Amino acid sequence: QVQLQEPGPGLVKPSETLSLTCIVSGGSINLYYWSWIRQPPGKGLEWIGYISDSGNTNYNPSLKSRVTISIDTSKAHFSLRLSSVTAADTAVYYCARDRGYSFESPYRYFDIWGRGTLVTVSS
Amino acid sequence: DIQMTQSPSSLSASVGDRVTISCRASQSISNYLNWYQQKPGKAPNLLIYAASSLQSGVPSRFGGSGSGTDFTLTINSLQPEDFATYYCQQTYSTPLTFGGGTKVEI
Repeated sequence: QVQLQEPGPGLVKPSETLSLTCIVSGGSINLYYWSWIRQPPGKGLEWIGYISDSGNTNYNPSLKSRVTISIDTSKAHFSLRLSSVTAADTAVYYCARDRGYSFESPYRYFDIWGRGTLVTVSS
Repeated sequence: DIQMTQSPSSLSASVGDRVTISCRASQSISNYLNWYQQKPGKAPNLLIYAASSLQSGVPSRFGGSGSGTDFTLTINSLQPEDFATYYCQQTYSTPLTFGGGTKVEI
């Protein structure tokens, strides 16, 4: 079955760029959408954005100026870059398969999630 | 942004109880509402999508209802493995947003 893995750096310094990759295995990366979601320690979930297999993106406006999500279908992975990080960006970052009916469709849900990786922003 | 408000934020229940969790949207979202279960240290797990559709593999004791602004997750005959935090999520419009969570405790 499809599995997602998001190995991460663990620690990022303030003002630097957080980079994460989600590796898709056991199934195709094509014909789906792929999302990033984060969860600060002890808090709720925040959607960061999603990307289509063709590279179209939709970002949370609260993060849009600092976020880039990209995809490499040949390597079956998609990536997140978040620039100018601060302590407020400390969180567990999850990647997930987004079963959107289409790019703009409101009919969507996250049916497969990675295990998550804790990224701490600290000097 | 559409705000999602869950109530209660936590509840205590016993094995075998029927539990209901509410989720209210700040505007009508039709039936574009999903429910997830999250256990400590784990990723969320999809339970219900489109307000009332049960995800494959999820026990039938979980059920969802509602449309517009008010939604409910019901767990019939609570099992030990159901003690977790539950989140609702609206997908009517971006940014996709989640409720604050409801922790179900023993």
